[in-house]
Amino acid sequence: NAGVTQTPKFQVLKTGQSMTLQCAQDMNHEYMSWYRQDPGMGLRLIHYSVGAGITDQGEVPNGYNVSRSTTEDFPLRLLSAAPSQTSVYFCASSGTGYDQPQHFGDGTRLSIL
Amino acid sequence: AQKITQTQPGMFVQEKEAVTLDCTYDTSDQSYGLFWYKQPSSGEMIFLIYQGSYDEQNATEGRYSLNFQKARKSTNLVISASQLGDSAMYFCAMREGYNFNKFYFGSGTKLNVKP
Repeated sequence: NAGVTQTPKFQVLKTGQSMTLQCAQDMNHEYMSWYRQDPGMGLRLIHYSVGAGITDQGEVPNGYNVSRSTTEDFPLRLLSAAPSQTSVYFCASSGTGYDQPQHFGDGTRLSIL
Repeated sequence: AQKITQTQPGMFVQEKEAVTLDCTYDTSDQSYGLFWYKQPSSGEMIFLIYQGSYDEQNATEGRYSLNFQKARKSTNLVISASQLGDSAMYFCAMREGYNFNKFYFGSGTKLNVKP
């Protein structure tokens, strides 16, 4: 009953370092997405994917890369971490269609020093 | 224009009473889905309830129900018999049929249940 699994749960980086946030889902969902949530705020879409090999930008894509080589995995890469990227990152997946809810991972709390 | 508007940044309710959280949406699509999520202080996002644009009846899931008024483009969440564990952030979201690749989230309502 795993659903959407994100790793790590917590991470501290130094400015300029790179890292990859992992996301995996076992529900055979075509649609996957990454959001960031800053303190006291809602969710902002970073990137999304509608299937293996297909990705697109959301509203705040700068500084992040994604790829989707399999249906199950959708990693998010921070190229050169900046303090402005300190946030909680959520991965989500869903079926396609307007009636399909997104299912979220537990989030990754990322601090950039 | 905002796709999803939640006008109540914070709400208080007495334990065991009912509370309504407001949400209005903006779309010209005929086919769309409306969702509510709960985010407790532990941080996870929990899907609560769904309403489709063609649904003629209000959705219900246990103590959660929606007051769906299509003409007014509103879908208010009603929580009956509030419990202390209902204290959380609540987000309203929409997915359009024409472009279901994007979810639109509101800014959320922080609900505090008082004992």
